[in-house]
Amino acid sequence: QQQVKQSPQSLIVQKGGISIINCAYENTAFDYFPWYQQFPGKGPALLIAIRPDVSEKKEGRFTISFNKSAKQFSLHIMDSQPGDSATYFCAATVNQAGTALIFGKGTTLSVSS
Amino acid sequence: GAVVSQHPSRVICKSGTSVKIECRSLDFQATTMFWYRQFPKQSLMLMATSNEGSKATYEQGVEKDKFLINHASLTLSTLTVTSAHPEDSSFYICSASSPGGYEQYFGPGTRLTVT
Repeated sequence: QQQVKQSPQSLIVQKGGISIINCAYENTAFDYFPWYQQFPGKGPALLIAIRPDVSEKKEGRFTISFNKSAKQFSLHIMDSQPGDSATYFCAATVNQAGTALIFGKGTTLSVSS
Repeated sequence: GAVVSQHPSRVICKSGTSVKIECRSLDFQATTMFWYRQFPKQSLMLMATSNEGSKATYEQGVEKDKFLINHASLTLSTLTVTSAHPEDSSFYICSASSPGGYEQYFGPGTRLTVT
């Protein structure tokens, strides 16, 4: 019940295309859903996050869509660029002090030019 | 945004020696810090949760006597890998919770190689 399932494992997108990564969770107590971007040899960087009281959040080319009833959320990267090539992790947690993030297994995105 | 630093970024040590990794929150006070381990092409594996002034809480399967965690202040947590062996070679990453509790900010990671 603590798992976060992420798909696909890897993704190849043409420059200018839309990259879509999906995550699903079981624990209905989760109330914070961030996405992290990680480049090789670096720590993850917080990209965008959403709480379950909204169905969509957009920041620049990055959008999170959230479906509370289906317990699913997804990351959309519009106008994908080669610089977006990285590993993306979805995560979920409960907003309590000291509560760790539960991570998905990650998606390796390659944007071809 | 909040900044978390780690030192060193890379360390090579001989088998049997101990290595200390520092994690600092530079512009905010972190009541809770987390330590993760990451193998190549895998997700982050939580090792322990560290609260300032109290003992760390270790995840199942993580040897607390091998991975010593100290959270001496609201801006510093340390991970000491004792009697390191080649199988301890990995990428170690810390994170710190923002004062509001929701967001976690990650350090740049430390690459440990044990020869």
